[in-house]
Amino acid sequence: AQKVTQAQTEISVVEKEDVTLDCVYETRDTTYYLFWYKQPPSGELVFLIRRNSFDEQNEISGRYSWNFQKSTSSFNFTITASQVVDSAVYFCALSESDYNQGGKLIFGQGTELSVKP
Amino acid sequence: GAGVSQSPSNKVTEKGKDVELRCDPISGHTALYWYRQRLGQGLEFLIYFQGNSAPDKSGLPSDRFSAERTGESVSTLTIQRTQQEDSAVYLCASSLGGAESYDREQYFGPGTRLTVT
Repeated sequence: AQKVTQAQTEISVVEKEDVTLDCVYETRDTTYYLFWYKQPPSGELVFLIRRNSFDEQNEISGRYSWNFQKSTSSFNFTITASQVVDSAVYFCALSESDYNQGGKLIFGQGTELSVKP
Repeated sequence: GAGVSQSPSNKVTEKGKDVELRCDPISGHTALYWYRQRLGQGLEFLIYFQGNSAPDKSGLPSDRFSAERTGESVSTLTIQRTQQEDSAVYLCASSLGGAESYDREQYFGPGTRLTVT
């Protein structure tokens, strides 16, 4: 069965601290896709990144970086030098390769990040 | 370009009434998804459309819920005989490709907040 676990419900940091959001997934598929979304207080989900299961290369985008480890079924997200504008709920999600499911996303419960000035 | 739009943004209805929620996907996106987000919770999948067919309706909570899509355009989610437990934010998303595509990152609309009194 597919499942995404974000064990950290809430994280609070002070501005400029680095913070890592954990994501662990379960799937029986050999081909799958992982995502991170940001949901700021305004409510609209914002796509951050997609990672394919066959591409384990880590990625950096500005202050954001992602560490994909197939061996531990984890896809962690690090924000370097956090800012107040990073305050949001962050969701990790999984999509499998079942044709009939399309790109249906299985979401984790989300991690609420609060960055204080 | 224009993103995913949803209407209405807010809907308050009395228990037992029917409601219709509308989603306009990004132009050219073949896949469309509906999700539900209850207060303080993660997102749960409702239904997936590829074109105007719905290969996966597995997430619809009951037969009071139905959805349709016109071609590769507008979709409507209908809830009949609404119940208080239907209160949630209903989110629509679209993606360029579906099951057979790597381009499966989903772009979300702002949601419709449904309150059943």
